[in-house]
Amino acid sequence: AQSVTQLGSHVSVSEGALVLLRCNYSSSVPPYLFWYVQYPNQGLQLLLKYTSAATLVKGINDFEAEFKKSETSFPLTKPSAHMSDAAEYFCAVSPPGFQKLVFGTGTRLLVSP
Amino acid sequence: EAGVAQSPRYKIIEKRQSVAFWCNPISGHATLYWYQQILGQGPKLLIQFQNNGVVDDSQLPKDRFSAERLKGVDSTLKIQPAKLEDSAVYLCASSEGQQYYNEQFFGPGTRLTVL
Repeated sequence: AQSVTQLGSHVSVSEGALVLLRCNYSSSVPPYLFWYVQYPNQGLQLLLKYTSAATLVKGINDFEAEFKKSETSFPLTKPSAHMSDAAEYFCAVSPPGFQKLVFGTGTRLLVSP
Repeated sequence: EAGVAQSPRYKIIEKRQSVAFWCNPISGHATLYWYQQILGQGPKLLIQFQNNGVVDDSQLPKDRFSAERLKGVDSTLKIQPAKLEDSAVYLCASSEGQQYYNEQFFGPGTRLTVL
């Protein structure tokens, strides 16, 4: 069965600092991987996805993630945090070919001035 | 393009009562999903429809939860009778198809509180 572990329920950064959110997956075959963002009282929005093409994936709002097969990880990064990035971020895994998402527990990103 | 619509946005009921949620997906989207998001957890898929047929309902508590998607467009999710542990946000999502390249678009959710 596929599963996702997000390390750290809360991450705090200062505005302008590097954002790094961790995600480890468990899958018997290389899966598809996704990062979603959820702003307060809103639904989830897709940030980016990995579907076995390039290992470095660029998404919206300058976020990017790198598929690290040897580490079974898919960390999300952004070079410079903005106040508007404060939200909850979810990593999700799906079996190859289909979108059957299994979500992690989420990481809340806090950005201070 | 209009997004996924859900109503109501908030609902408070007492345990053992029944409740229904409504979802209107993006026009033309064949696949519709209902997720349950308990506080502090990620969304969990309850049921997936392809047009008006059920693709996956393996995690739907069928003794109390039911869902339908008449005519392959709108969908309703019902809980009867509700339990305290059903308190959660219920998210509806839709996509053009089931393939990996079909992005899921989420509605704002219905926050259910069971007292």
